[in-house]
Amino acid sequence: EPEVTQTPSHQVTQMGQEVILRCVPISNHLYFYWYRQILGQKVEFLVSFYNNEISEKSEIFDDQFSVERPDGSNFTLKIRSTKLEDSAMYFCASSLDRGDGEKLFFGSGTQLSVL
Amino acid sequence: KQEVTQIPAALSVPEGENLVLNCSFTDSAIYNLQWFRQDPGKGLTSLLLIQSSQREQTSGRLNASLDKSSGRSTLYIAASQPGDSATYLCAVPGGAQKLVFGQGTRLTINP
Repeated sequence: EPEVTQTPSHQVTQMGQEVILRCVPISNHLYFYWYRQILGQKVEFLVSFYNNEISEKSEIFDDQFSVERPDGSNFTLKIRSTKLEDSAMYFCASSLDRGDGEKLFFGSGTQLSVL
Repeated sequence: KQEVTQIPAALSVPEGENLVLNCSFTDSAIYNLQWFRQDPGKGLTSLLLIQSSQREQTSGRLNASLDKSSGRSTLYIAASQPGDSATYLCAVPGGAQKLVFGQGTRLTINP
C-alpha cells in the first residue's frame, strides 16, 4: 500500500540552527500538509500546500517556517532558526483531494529535538 | 473556532471486552470526521472516515458513529485485543485545508 515517508526519523539540533525535514507524499496525491505534536499535547496543523503554493497556514507557521516542493516527489519543511519550543514530532500528510473531504495519509513523523 | 474533546483521556480494560471511545466537537458544520490510531513514537493511521451524510462507518471490529446535531462521535471496538493498545484520536475539519484534533484516548488492553 502506498505510504507517506519522512526522513529523518529523529533530528537533534542546536538552538538557532536551520533544519530541513523531508517528506515523500503518496505519488498521485495533490495536497500536502505539515502537522506537529509537542509532547503531551494535541496534534496541531501547521500548513497546507497545493499547486506549488501555500493554501492555508496556522498562527504557528511564522516567518521562521517555510515549505517547498523542490521536485516532483519531495515536500520539505524548513525551520530557519530553531527555538527550544520547536521541539516536537513533525508529521507530513498528503491527500488526493482537499483535506476537508478526503482521508489524510500521515507519515511516521520526524522527532525534532532542539537543545 | 472548532474545538475537539475526547473522553476518557485513558482507558484500561481486559482483553475481550467491548468498549466505546467518545469524541465531541463544538461546531457541527463539518464535512466529515476521522478516527486515527497512534502508536507510541509513530505516525497516525486513519481508521475510519465518516462523511457528514453518514451516521455510521464500520471496519472489521471497529464501528464509528456520528451525530452532527449533538456534536458527538463514538468509536466502538468489539472484542478488544492487546494489539488494539494505542492512542485513538478523532479529528474534524477546522477550515478548508486543516484538521482539528482531540487530545486522544490512550487505550490499554490487558491480556
